[in-house]
Amino acid sequence: AQKVTQAQTEISVVEKEDVTLDCVYETRDTTYYLFWYKQPPSGELVFLIRRNSFDEQNEISGRYSWNFQKSTSSFNFTITASQVVDSAVYFCAALLGIINNDMRFGAGTRLTVKP
Amino acid sequence: DTAVSQTPKYLVTQMGNDKSIKCEQNLGHDTMYWYKQDSKKFLKIMFSYNNKELIINETVPNRFSPKSPDKAHLNLHINSLELGDSAVYFCASSHRGQYEQYFGPGTRLTVT
Repeated sequence: AQKVTQAQTEISVVEKEDVTLDCVYETRDTTYYLFWYKQPPSGELVFLIRRNSFDEQNEISGRYSWNFQKSTSSFNFTITASQVVDSAVYFCAALLGIINNDMRFGAGTRLTVKP
Repeated sequence: DTAVSQTPKYLVTQMGNDKSIKCEQNLGHDTMYWYKQDSKKFLKIMFSYNNKELIINETVPNRFSPKSPDKAHLNLHINSLELGDSAVYFCASSHRGQYEQYFGPGTRLTVT
């Protein structure tokens, strides 16, 4: 089955700690897209990043970085020097059906950053 | 300006009623979606529309029906509401070729 797995249900860290959120996907397709979304306590879903299956280059944006490894079907998200404002539910998602826009979300990881 | 907007933000209604949730996007996107997020935060796609054509129709009850008067709007109609329909419903849009979806603020539906 084509799906996205976020094994970590909840993570709690103290401010300034680094934290990595794991994401593993399954697909038979050779072309697919991976995403991370943030859902803060206010409830909206905020797009963070898109990665194409044919581009394994890692990406860094400020304190955020993403590690995409096709060999392990993983797309992990690291927050460096976490802050209280990073507290949210983070969703990994995969567009596994390009033709029919079949977007699958993981179950989400709730990150709590304590001061 | 809000990119993807939904109305209402909160909707409380009784079982058996019919209700609608409206969605509008001003991003010029050609595809719009409806998602349901349950109490455990699980997000599941319900429908997507591209150029007024239904692309995905997950196994949702036929009490749910999307209506798209134009590319900028995708409304969700729900007939004969049931307790299990209580959830947060998100509208989203994307541009074919870019794939990332932009979400509305959500509508919290409570069926009593």
